[in-house]
Amino acid sequence: AQKITQTQPGMFVQEKEAVTLDCTYDTSDPSYGLFWYKQPSSGEMIFLIYQGSYDQQNATEGRYSLNFQKARKSANLVISASQLGDSAMYFCAMRLFFSGSARQLTFGSGTQLTVLP
Amino acid sequence: DTEVTQTPKHLVMGMTNKKSLKCEQHMGHRAMYWYKQKAKKPPELMFVYSYEKLSINESVPSRFSPECPNSSLLNLHLHALQPEDSALYLCASSQERGRETQYFGPGTRLLVL
Repeated sequence: AQKITQTQPGMFVQEKEAVTLDCTYDTSDPSYGLFWYKQPSSGEMIFLIYQGSYDQQNATEGRYSLNFQKARKSANLVISASQLGDSAMYFCAMRLFFSGSARQLTFGSGTQLTVLP
Repeated sequence: DTEVTQTPKHLVMGMTNKKSLKCEQHMGHRAMYWYKQKAKKPPELMFVYSYEKLSINESVPSRFSPECPNSSLLNLHLHALQPEDSALYLCASSQERGRETQYFGPGTRLLVL
């Protein structure tokens, strides 16, 4: 069975600095996708970035980049130039592509990020 | 456009009430999902619809009844809920192939008294 681990329950970062949110995963399937979502206090889960297991390059989307280390089974999210609006809960999630439960996302426990002015 | 809408935003109901949550997407997605999320926890999958057919039911109590009237709409009918059912209910949708990135709605905050 697949598992996602986020070891940082809470993180603080100064405005305009970069921050890395950790995510490790465990699966024996070779084909999978990794997702990061942001959830502000309003509740909506906002999709940020995706990395496929066969992607050669690390994914980037604006200020978000994903540091994908396949051998270490880690998919850390890097947020550059933090803004106050980045304060939120961040979830790492994984989906297997070849499985009877292919529709299901497995979520980590989340990291609460607070950006300080 | 990656918008999924949900109504109502907030709902308070008694344990004997019947209510419904609604979800709509116009992205042409053929997979739709219901999640339940407790505070400070990740979302828990409840149901998955694929091409308007229920494909996954994660052992959810029968007091929750999903319905997919068409490819754009997803309902969750609630009846005889318990206080422990109070949570944020999230709807999501995705394409049926490729990355299948799930796009979420803003959620309905449900309080059962």
